[in-house]
Amino acid sequence: RKEVEQDPGPFNVPEGATVAFNCTYSNSASQSFFWYRQDCRKEPKLLMSVYSSGNEDGRFTAQLNRASQYISLLIRDSKLSDSATYLCVGGGGNKLTFGTGTQLKVEL
Amino acid sequence: EPEVTQTPSHQVTQMGQEVILRCVPISNHLYFYWYRQILGQKVEFLVSFYNNEISEKSEIFDDQFSVERPDGSNFTLKIRSTKLEDSAMYFCASSSPDRDEQYFGPGTRLTVT
Repeated sequence: RKEVEQDPGPFNVPEGATVAFNCTYSNSASQSFFWYRQDCRKEPKLLMSVYSSGNEDGRFTAQLNRASQYISLLIRDSKLSDSATYLCVGGGGNKLTFGTGTQLKVEL
Repeated sequence: EPEVTQTPSHQVTQMGQEVILRCVPISNHLYFYWYRQILGQKVEFLVSFYNNEISEKSEIFDDQFSVERPDGSNFTLKIRSTKLEDSAMYFCASSSPDRDEQYFGPGTRLTVT
């Protein structure tokens, strides 16, 4: 089983839509979790850290459920500029473990 | 806003040649990392480095690879004898002592011919 698993998409949504991404992880050694965003042929950019209590940053909300080993990201009022690949990432020890990413395309 | 920088942005080399990829981490960060991403695949961990030592390395990071912090600002990845399958984007990252978040540089695209 892959350590971090995501639906690769693509998710094609109209501008203004709400979209949710899910991710499951299998390595219980992962202690911290993140969502990164990656544009084509660019570096991963940290979007937000994910906490059990949930956290919100503007239009973005992330949630962690340790019992189910499940992480989510909700994007409200999506913009054209949100089009990218969203990477679910687990952190443990001295390394990050990346999922394959979910591609989002926001259309007019 | 401080950022991680990497040079060169693109390196083309012949199979069997040595390459050195360079990174300047964020200045107050103490943990440094190298990752690679083969085209169309996920980002993979190679090595982490702290206090002038390797903290952890993956199976990919074999004897052909080495890392060094030659001075107070640079962090390098050396591949001794490149193979075709080393062709990938190599990302350097750094993190501060009190946070888990890692910040990535723009990457070096390595093409081995």
